[in-house]
Amino acid sequence: DAMVIQNPRYQVTQFGKPVTLSCSQTLNHNVMYWYQQKSSQAPKLLFHYYDKDFNNEADTPDNFQSRRPNTSFCFLDIRSPGLGDAAMYLCATSRDSFTGGYEQYFGPGTRLTVT
Amino acid sequence: DAKTTQPNSMESNEEEPVHLPCNHSTISGTDYIHWYRQLPSQGPEYVIHGLTSNVNNRMASLAIAEDRKSSTLILHRATLRDAAVYYCILRGGNTGKLIFGQGTTLQVKP
Repeated sequence: DAMVIQNPRYQVTQFGKPVTLSCSQTLNHNVMYWYQQKSSQAPKLLFHYYDKDFNNEADTPDNFQSRRPNTSFCFLDIRSPGLGDAAMYLCATSRDSFTGGYEQYFGPGTRLTVT
Repeated sequence: DAKTTQPNSMESNEEEPVHLPCNHSTISGTDYIHWYRQLPSQGPEYVIHGLTSNVNNRMASLAIAEDRKSSTLILHRATLRDAAVYYCILRGGNTGKLIFGQGTTLQVKP
């Protein structure tokens, strides 16, 4: 049973054309995360939501934004994709973000290509 | 955020045990030790985590040093499907973030 679902799995967009990636979860977890993973690199945290509270990482570019309309869904918006934004985008969920005692569940990722 | 150090790569033979080491000398008292693995073209998958005591689950065992400055992930019988990048991550404090290092690429030979 899929628990963290990401759509689409593959997305192609043009340079500068806004794109939205989506994530949904069936776990009813409070916390949802977005990571960027470039080729041959480790995942890098972009931001996360604890319920409706948005927490941005200090080095996340302004070009990246997120929305969480309800517990189940979270969106990643890239306002003006550049060639350097081509990557795998991973969504993850967790029951809590304030302690280390809970694991994160990851989706399969969306591979973004920018042409 | 406290950092971890892992070997870049390791090799194992199929059906043999694998011990993946991780050093985390700056670990704080509230940091949990988490292990995730990532198979090619997939999202990371949770493997195991612990705080002070050794932990076992259906996937692996986690051995934590008494001073908590190092830990070892143990795969009891490696299979070809265990070939992946294994990440050792400290999670806790007041952020709960997962900060990924470069991980260990495990190759399993038949």
